[in-house]
Amino acid sequence: AQSVTQLDSQVPVFEEAPVELRCNYSSSVSVYLFWYVQYPNQGLQLLLKYLSGSTLVESINGFEAEFNKSQTSFHLRKPSVHISDTAEYFCAVILNAGGTSYGKLTFGQGTILTVHP
Amino acid sequence: GAVVSQHPSRVICKSGTSVKIECRSLDFQATTMFWYRQFPKQSLMLMATSNEGSKATYEQGVEKDKFLINHASLTLSTLTVTSAHPEDSSFYICSASRAGVMNTEAFFGQGTRLTVV
Repeated sequence: AQSVTQLDSQVPVFEEAPVELRCNYSSSVSVYLFWYVQYPNQGLQLLLKYLSGSTLVESINGFEAEFNKSQTSFHLRKPSVHISDTAEYFCAVILNAGGTSYGKLTFGQGTILTVHP
Repeated sequence: GAVVSQHPSRVICKSGTSVKIECRSLDFQATTMFWYRQFPKQSLMLMATSNEGSKATYEQGVEKDKFLINHASLTLSTLTVTSAHPEDSSFYICSASRAGVMNTEAFFGQGTRLTVV
């Protein structure tokens, strides 16, 4: 079975500072990788995903994540954060297989990013 | 992008009553929908996989007679919490995947905050 570990439960940073949210996964088969963001009392929004191709993927709001197969990691980074980036971030995987794994996500524990002025 | 609407966003009910939560894919067909439960400061735990026209598949430890799932059409799945108790209070989130597209990301509803008093 696959699992996802987010190493930091909370990450406080100051505005305009860089940030990295760590994510490691474990799976016996290949996976697709995702980062979701959740604002208070809201559902999840897809931030970015890795399916294939370039291992570096970017979002429209300045986040990026790099798939590292050898280290089984998919860390999320942003060079300069804003107050509005304050939210909880979830790393997730889907097995690269058909059938019942279709759309079935396994989530990490979540990392609360708090950006201070 | 694809839109998933979840209703209601908040509900308070008395202990012993039943509550129905709806999950609709507004602009796409979803053969598969997923129901998650999120406890405070914890990650999302998959409860069940809902397949259109067939019985739901429940994760280990989830009581199927307590959490009734119906997926009667390609755009609607419902979760009914029967005989609710205070320990059922939680944030419930649904997600849906497009029909005919393999292993893509799931689109999430806004979530339902259930409080049982």
